[in-house]
Amino acid sequence: DIVMTQSPDSLAVSLGERATINCKSSQSVLSRSNSKNYLAWYQHKPGRPPRLLIYWASTRVSGVPDRFNGSGSGTDFTLTISSLQAEDVAVYYCQRYYNTPWTFGQGTKVEIK
Amino acid sequence: EVELLESGGGLAQPGGSLRLSCTASGFTFNIYTMSWVRQAPGKGLEWVSFVNPSGTTTYYIDSVKGRFSIYRDNSKNTVDLQMNSLRAEDTATYYCTRRTVDSGGMDVWGPGTTVTVSS
Repeated sequence: DIVMTQSPDSLAVSLGERATINCKSSQSVLSRSNSKNYLAWYQHKPGRPPRLLIYWASTRVSGVPDRFNGSGSGTDFTLTISSLQAEDVAVYYCQRYYNTPWTFGQGTKVEIK
Repeated sequence: EVELLESGGGLAQPGGSLRLSCTASGFTFNIYTMSWVRQAPGKGLEWVSFVNPSGTTTYYIDSVKGRFSIYRDNSKNTVDLQMNSLRAEDTATYYCTRRTVDSGGMDVWGPGTTVTVSS
């Protein structure tokens, strides 16, 4: 089975500071045919549906603040929140969609220190 | 406004059946891949199934293969998930989602519908 492993499981960051979440896939999600990484990041707040933040590993969805940035290629990826705001408290998931199953990471809970 | 709305959740007995339905509005439904994602209580997100825009290709996570079936009706802008032989581990909030038109991540999510499998 293809496994997506996020680290850390949780982190507490001061307002205005940087938050970094890592995601590692047990298999590459880089397509040789189009050179795209089939990797997305989601934000999930309690009582609300998840929200797509980033896809193709680094393409920010329209309307997502530019403090959210995705990077990486192949098997190792990072979501960075450059200056944490109170409204960013949530669980963040990476997800591979290169082929099925579209596996999610276990989630990283981000809180305010 | 682009919107997905699920219905059909509820309580089912182990071994029973439920059919979830998702109604889409505000976009050209028949050009998008649609899927279902679930979240069990206290757990993370789990992709369950998807269907391609024409409805001719479907995929399922191993744990539901042979028990769940996904259908879409492009004339009604709906995508259904027929769930048979339900197990306690199918208890979850089920989300209907839309994949981006360029086959990226899932950019539109419904509010979710809750399925509880219990005797």
